[in-house]
Amino acid sequence: DSGVTQTPKHLITATGQRVTLRCSPRSGDLSVYWYQQSLDQGLQFLIQYYNGEERAKGNILERFSAQQFPDLHSELNLSSLELGDSALYFCASSVEFQANSPLHFGNGTRLTVT
Amino acid sequence: AQSVAQPEDQVNVAEGNPLTVKCTYSVSGNPYLFWYVQYPNRGLQFLLKYITGDNLVKGSYGFEAEFNKSQTSFHLKKPSALVSDSALYFCAVRDFNTGFQKLVFGTGTRLLVSP
Repeated sequence: DSGVTQTPKHLITATGQRVTLRCSPRSGDLSVYWYQQSLDQGLQFLIQYYNGEERAKGNILERFSAQQFPDLHSELNLSSLELGDSALYFCASSVEFQANSPLHFGNGTRLTVT
Repeated sequence: AQSVAQPEDQVNVAEGNPLTVKCTYSVSGNPYLFWYVQYPNRGLQFLLKYITGDNLVKGSYGFEAEFNKSQTSFHLKKPSALVSDSALYFCAVRDFNTGFQKLVFGTGTRLLVSP
């Protein structure tokens, strides 16, 4: 068990809808990362937060947004969903400013857009 | 940009035989390299890392990795494969370009260990 909790495990929704994915990092970790895993794109970095502030952005669509709350949990909001957004979404956490610290991943949320 | 490449989509090995999963890297500066494993319907699990020091790094579940600077490689190895090692393996490199240390992953290599 990595200590990173993601909810829900599965999400099935229709095109055009909006969903929210939730992540609780490991105790003591201040940095949260979101990744998307799809068959054709592999593991793609979406966005990173550190102690409530956005720190890095990757291949995140404008329809997607995220935030990190004062209690350090994070939410990834996906709107105007398209079939191509179907993927596994992972959250990871780490102790920031320690480059040798690995990321610890949750078990992911599997999103299916129908 | 920092990147890693995993040239093999799949590696097949018989149980009890040694296994190698290949990874090459391209970085500016010193590489911070990681290996992760993903079992079906699970998240990525950290196996081992290379930051500095000995070129042979030992990790979880009997895995080790050899860092080779001249060949810019970081291959994952295990002396004797188990059927339970069958999974998807990812090599990753720390990207400092943005200043905020995200991991950049390779495309993954599926390891199949036959009984």
